[in-house]
Amino acid sequence: AIQMAQSPSSLSASVGDRVIITCRASEGIGRELGWYQQKPGRAPRLLIYSAFKLQSGVPSRFSGSGSGTDFTLTISSLQPEDFATYYCLQDDRYPWTFGQGTKVEIK
Amino acid sequence: QLQLQESGPGLVKLSETLFLTCTVSGGSISSTSSYWAWIRQPPGKGLEWIGSILYTGRNYYNPSLGSRVTVSMDSAYNHFSLEIRSLTAADTAVYYCARDFFRGAEDLLDYWGRGMLVTVSS
Repeated sequence: AIQMAQSPSSLSASVGDRVIITCRASEGIGRELGWYQQKPGRAPRLLIYSAFKLQSGVPSRFSGSGSGTDFTLTISSLQPEDFATYYCLQDDRYPWTFGQGTKVEIK
Repeated sequence: QLQLQESGPGLVKLSETLFLTCTVSGGSISSTSSYWAWIRQPPGKGLEWIGSILYTGRNYYNPSLGSRVTVSMDSAYNHFSLEIRSLTAADTAVYYCARDFFRGAEDLLDYWGRGMLVTVSS
């Protein structure tokens, strides 16, 4: 199975900060990567699909980039509602695999 | 607006079988552009994809669960189901169902159920 190494595992940031989260795949997956946000007690929410495409209704401060093995999720200006855990998911090949998650906390 | 809702027992015994159902409303599980997926999350841990099924019955499973898992669907009731056999404590998790909308090479897990905590205990 393809392994997804996500970093950092956690970070502390302030409102207005630019936040970058990375995912590295153990082998090339083209652009077949999504980013999901999860708040405590809630189901994950799709933010980005196909590495860079913004899901409908998601604020434009979220953006994704990358291809092959290296991907990033950027939050351009962190808002209070963005404090959550973020996961990448490779959907190039079964079994689909998630990164370990990045918890974004308030500094 | 598509909605998904998990149902089933919240407590099951070691070595027994878990059976969960995801009822879909606001759309048909016979859609030609959707797979239907199960994902789980042990308490305090990350997400694990379990398996997916297409309206044709074609399905894919995570080999980490070996041969213990079956995903099925019933178009008459517009629901799909998850069966996990020979349960261990490691199967304790919140179980989510989700829609995988696909077009070409794109896959979007765009609608999710609220999740259901299943505890495996003796």
